[in-house]
Amino acid sequence: NAGVTQTPKFRILKIGQSMTLQCTQDMNHNYMYWYRQDPGMGLKLIYYSVGAGITDKGEVPNGYNVSRSTTEDFPLRLELAAPSQTSVYFCASSYGKASYEQYFGPGTRLTVT
Amino acid sequence: AQTVTQSQPEMSVQEAETVTLSCTYDTSESDYYLFWYKQPPSRQMILVIRQEAYKQQNATENRFSVNFQKAAKSFSLKISDSQLGDAAMYFCAYRGGIQGAQKLVFGQGTRLTINP
Repeated sequence: NAGVTQTPKFRILKIGQSMTLQCTQDMNHNYMYWYRQDPGMGLKLIYYSVGAGITDKGEVPNGYNVSRSTTEDFPLRLELAAPSQTSVYFCASSYGKASYEQYFGPGTRLTVT
Repeated sequence: AQTVTQSQPEMSVQEAETVTLSCTYDTSESDYYLFWYKQPPSRQMILVIRQEAYKQQNATENRFSVNFQKAAKSFSLKISDSQLGDAAMYFCAYRGGIQGAQKLVFGQGTRLTINP
């Protein structure tokens, strides 16, 4: 079982460039999440999805977009990258039942210069 | 909105000793879950322990235990017999109950150093 996988692990972007962070889970989880972690801080929710075709904004959605066309995949799109988006990005998934934990991917470290 | 506060940015403890990390939270919900996650230098988020708010008994996982004070909205983590491998960032997190999208709200984290 691979769990939650994220690609790439590292990326450097120039200001104004765009990119997509990939996230895939093989646990048949309905719920998926994108978090960002700024240096020395906790994780903050960017977007989440409760099932294929359903997405919603989290605490810090500006500058990002998501889609959920399949249960397995939940890509995060950065349009017009800005230095403020320099962060570590984590994807997570869960069954969605109250007692189930969220499983996290290994993270993507993104630097925008 | 729910908030989680960890007031100790850094803590240190001697190997084999006991250390307690503090966490307070604010919520108007009666049904919720609390978690402690460990993040070692590898960045991987690892679930350490979970507490259901409806349970009065404090959760325990081997050397890790919590002191859950629901009325005070306090959720501290006690690590007994500290080991060098316990060195990491520790995050307290809150999640609402059965309804909703099960979103996690994290505290700012506490960096734990283990002194040999």
